[in-house]
Amino acid sequence: EAGVTQFPSHSVIEKGQTVTLRCDPISGHDNLYWYRRVMGKEIKFLLHFVKESKQDESGMPNNRFLAERTGGTYSTLKVQPAELEDSGVYFCASSQAGNSPLHFGNGTRLTVT
Amino acid sequence: GNSVTQMEGPVTLSEEAFLTINCTYTATGYPSLFWYVQYPGEGLQLLLKATKADDKGSNKGFEATYRKETTSFHLEKGSVQVSDSAVYFCALGNSGGYQKVTFGIGTKLQVIP
Repeated sequence: EAGVTQFPSHSVIEKGQTVTLRCDPISGHDNLYWYRRVMGKEIKFLLHFVKESKQDESGMPNNRFLAERTGGTYSTLKVQPAELEDSGVYFCASSQAGNSPLHFGNGTRLTVT
Repeated sequence: GNSVTQMEGPVTLSEEAFLTINCTYTATGYPSLFWYVQYPGEGLQLLLKATKADDKGSNKGFEATYRKETTSFHLEKGSVQVSDSAVYFCALGNSGGYQKVTFGIGTKLQVIP
């Protein structure tokens, strides 16, 4: 079984640019999550999808962040325009049911200069 | 709100030494408690979990007991190996039927031969 795949693994962009992160969950996993770890701080919940619907986006920092999951398969997280404080590691995770264990991807390390 | 406090480290131990990583939490209700591990270059993996007071989670020689009276979930291993070198995250779940997990800051463990 393929695990959760995230692309790219690293991204370096300038302040003001746009970046799109992609996550492919494990096949059949309806629940998809985005988390973020800013340098030196805790991993924080961003949002939760069930299939294509956003169930909880209470952790999204502001309206520069847009997450989508069209068709209920892969998800994208767009940051536009990027700011310096957006730098960190963005993790995607999926689970089969709501309370099932999370399977994490390796993360995308975003650096905004 | 929910929060998790754990020692930040880094923790450096010799092979076969005893490991304790302290974790305390603040939460409403009785959440599930977890330890996740991140090996170099990989995503987070669930190491062990406990779902109610006095439960002991165990895996790969690691143990942690859910202590409601001290709101703690300390991770222990009797004899660490070089392959245990990783970052360990204490975490607690929510009661909403999905995995909105609150993480601690992570403790980096280095085991030297």
